Amino acid sequence: GDSVTQMEGPVTLSEEAFLTINCTYTATGYPSLFWYVQYPGEGLQLLLKATKADDKGSNKGFEATYRKETTSFHLEKGSVQVSDSAVYFCALRRGGSEKLVFGKGMKLTVNP
Amino acid sequence: NAGVTQTPKFQVLKTGQSMTLQCAQDMNHEYMSWYRQDPGMGLRLIHYSVGAGITDQGEVPNGYNVSRSTTEDFPLRLLSAAPSQTSVYFCASSYGVAGLSTDTQYFGPGTRLTVL
Repeated sequence: GDSVTQMEGPVTLSEEAFLTINCTYTATGYPSLFWYVQYPGEGLQLLLKATKADDKGSNKGFEATYRKETTSFHLEKGSVQVSDSAVYFCALRRGGSEKLVFGKGMKLTVNP
Repeated sequence: NAGVTQTPKFQVLKTGQSMTLQCAQDMNHEYMSWYRQDPGMGLRLIHYSVGAGITDQGEVPNGYNVSRSTTEDFPLRLLSAAPSQTSVYFCASSYGVAGLSTDTQYFGPGTRLTVL
């Protein structure tokens, strides 16, 4: 079946550090890929998405590129802020379905 | 728009009790779903609905019932609560025309349930 594997952490970084969160997937066909973020005490919010190979999603300084050859969708940010402290989830949705399959999530803490 | 709303925010039950978690959306979304979030497990799909009157099971449906009598509401029922159902529950919705939509799913703020 479909699955998503991501770095689980937790990870602690200093402000202005570079962030990479690895995400790889297994799925048939050409899924859409997503990064969701969950701030403390809140529900999940879409951070960015990509719907086909080589697409780059970007938002709030975060970027991720859909790499079909490596089945990956790694999340990056060049300079993290304290306000980026949250749990980050990678997810996929297979074409023809609305169901999301999530990775286990990674908790990020950014210290001033 | 209020988006996706969930009630209650917190609930404590005793083993064997029943309760209903409420979920409503005001965006006229066809697709609605329930997830549970457990430490180290990510989010797992419990049940989903592609429209009023249509529901189906997700990855972990045992112990839960759902119905969808209106587009707006998608309640989740626990018939006889067990400690294994202690979790945080999230409801989500999207326009969800399957196969035609790459639309975002919007999540509610969650219900934290403890079963003693």
